[in-house]
Amino acid sequence: AQTVTQSQPEMSVQEAETVTLSCTYDTSENNYYLFWYKQPPSRQMILVIRQEAYKQQNATENRFSVNFQKAAKSFSLKISDSQLGDTAMYFCAFMKPSNTGNQFYFGTGTSLTVIP
Amino acid sequence: DAGVTQSPTHLIKTRGQQVTLRCSPKSGHDTVSWYQQALGQGPQFIFQYYEEEERQRGNFPDRFSGHQFPNYSSELNVNALLLGDSALYLCASSLSYFYNEQFFGPGTRLTVL
Repeated sequence: AQTVTQSQPEMSVQEAETVTLSCTYDTSENNYYLFWYKQPPSRQMILVIRQEAYKQQNATENRFSVNFQKAAKSFSLKISDSQLGDTAMYFCAFMKPSNTGNQFYFGTGTSLTVIP
Repeated sequence: DAGVTQSPTHLIKTRGQQVTLRCSPKSGHDTVSWYQQALGQGPQFIFQYYEEEERQRGNFPDRFSGHQFPNYSSELNVNALLLGDSALYLCASSLSYFYNEQFFGPGTRLTVL
């Protein structure tokens, strides 16, 4: 079974600063996808960034980037120039594709607060 | 373009009762997944429906069942409710079962007393 671990239940960062959220996972699969999702307070979960395991290049989406270390099974999220709107729960997720459907495994989340 | 919608928003039930939650996928999406998110936890995968069939299932008892209709909307049914079933139930849709991007709905908050 796949497991996803987020060891930082809560984090805070000053506005405009940079913060890194950690995620590790355990799998015996070689082909999989990793995601970071954002869940703002009382709002819908949205995709922040996605990484294919077969790609060595780290994914980047504007102020969001990842550090994907496949051998170490580590997948951290870096948020640059933090904004107040980044305040949310952040979930790391793992997905193993299959011919019959995809199953996602989520971590327990990191609550990020951006301080003005 | 309407995103994923879920109803009802909130629901209060008592132990032993049965509940049905509903989900309409994003326009153009034919695959629906259901998740249970307990307070302070990450979403736990319940099952995924595609072409009106359950394609994948997580580690949930048979009390949790679902259905997908020809218009791709879906229902989650939970029988014999337990206090531990209290959670936010999330629905997510995707273009097809092999697509890896999911769009989430706002969820249904179920409270079991």
